[in-house]
Amino acid sequence: AQSVTQPDIHITVSEGASLELRCNYSYGATPYLFWYVQSPGQGLQLLLKYFSGDTLVQGIKGFEAEFKRSQSSFNLRKPSVHWSDAAEYFCAVVPDNYGQNFVFGPGTRLSVLP
Amino acid sequence: EAGVTQFPSHSVIEKGQTVTLRCDPISGHDNLYWYRRVMGKEIKFLLHFVKESKQDESGMPNNRFLAERTGGTYSTLKVQPAELEDSGVYFCASSQDRAKNIQYFGAGTRLSVL
Repeated sequence: AQSVTQPDIHITVSEGASLELRCNYSYGATPYLFWYVQSPGQGLQLLLKYFSGDTLVQGIKGFEAEFKRSQSSFNLRKPSVHWSDAAEYFCAVVPDNYGQNFVFGPGTRLSVLP
Repeated sequence: EAGVTQFPSHSVIEKGQTVTLRCDPISGHDNLYWYRRVMGKEIKFLLHFVKESKQDESGMPNNRFLAERTGGTYSTLKVQPAELEDSGVYFCASSQDRAKNIQYFGAGTRLSVL
């Protein structure tokens, strides 16, 4: 079945450590790809997006993500995590690049240790 | 510029009652989307408006759910009668350019059906 997977339900890292959140999708064509973050009491905030072109995309708050077609992946990274990054992170896909609606992964909850 | 606003932020009702959720999109955004996240599950698409017209309502779970967007501005999502399984967080999003489909999300309404 076509889907978006985020293998890690919960990740805990120490402040200052590097971070990688995984996202895989199972759609045949290259979809539009997004990462959103939800902090407690807040809405979903767009971190970054990939439509085409350079496979390494930069986002807000020091995040970046790399699209790897061969692995159907769009992993999110940050070199040094801050305590304020504790939140839930969602990978989302628009399957056919136009007109379809978002398909979300299940989310990864990030905890940051002081 | 105001973002997507939703209210109430939290609603607690009893099974069989009616609840109406409201979403005010970003001004000028013709596209309005409703999503739902049931406890522990993925965020799921419910429906999509373009202005006042329903473009896609394939995600609506059943006929107890009624969405409207009179005048193409704010939208309401009514659940009547509410069932226990309707509990979850209901998100609204809006976008201006559907081709690139960058959706801006509200903080959500947490619905608890007792």
